[in-house]
Amino acid sequence: QSVLTQPPSVSGAPGQRVTISCTGSSSNIGAGYDVHWYQQLSGTAPKLLVYGNSNRPSGVPDRFSGSKSGTSASLAITGLQAEDEADYYCQSYDSSLSGSVFGGGTKLTVL
Amino acid sequence: QLQLQESGPGLVKPSETLSLTCTVSGASITTTSFYWGWIRQPPGKGLEWIGSIYYNGNTYYNPSLKSRVTISVDTSNNQFSLKLSSVPAADTAVYYCARHFRAGYNNLGYFDFWGQGTLVTVSS
Repeated sequence: QSVLTQPPSVSGAPGQRVTISCTGSSSNIGAGYDVHWYQQLSGTAPKLLVYGNSNRPSGVPDRFSGSKSGTSASLAITGLQAEDEADYYCQSYDSSLSGSVFGGGTKLTVL
Repeated sequence: QLQLQESGPGLVKPSETLSLTCTVSGASITTTSFYWGWIRQPPGKGLEWIGSIYYNGNTYYNPSLKSRVTISVDTSNNQFSLKLSSVPAADTAVYYCARHFRAGYNNLGYFDFWGQGTLVTVSS
């Protein structure tokens, strides 16, 4: 059971928009700690996609965007492409655990 | 360009100690803005943060693993290491090292650079 809750899977057709939710609690997201998102392509290491709730590292397309409200955060992907098929993870800090926590991951399937 | 590389045995016997080292190149491990962390991923499962260390030796550990984990840093060789004791088969995973942004007092941020990962199998 992960501290941050994500849907196990989402899917969308090429060109569509999908969102992935990440639900936390008052000791992590709700306490104001930043949420970060990672993309993990099959067989590779995770890659930082969004940091500080809504910031993109250099080289990440603006099709990827993050937002946060209350005890939840979301990753939106617009103009879905076949290459976006991957696992996505959210991550934050939890004050009760005094450490970093990950969501359980969401598998994105491009139909 | 910053690079991290994990090294260590790929096979560990149950009840023994898993030991891995991460070698950092392209940046100094003594940078004040970052911790250095370990994350693992069991086959077919999600990511689990193990712990992180600052260049001065300050550490954060996952409470669920804290009794078995030791992370240390070797600034002279730009490396940091993980030891996980009394391993059961459930510790079989790909182990990643990563640079961990120091978000502030009692706050850890994102992992921006990752090693490629190394599979450690716990089996007799």
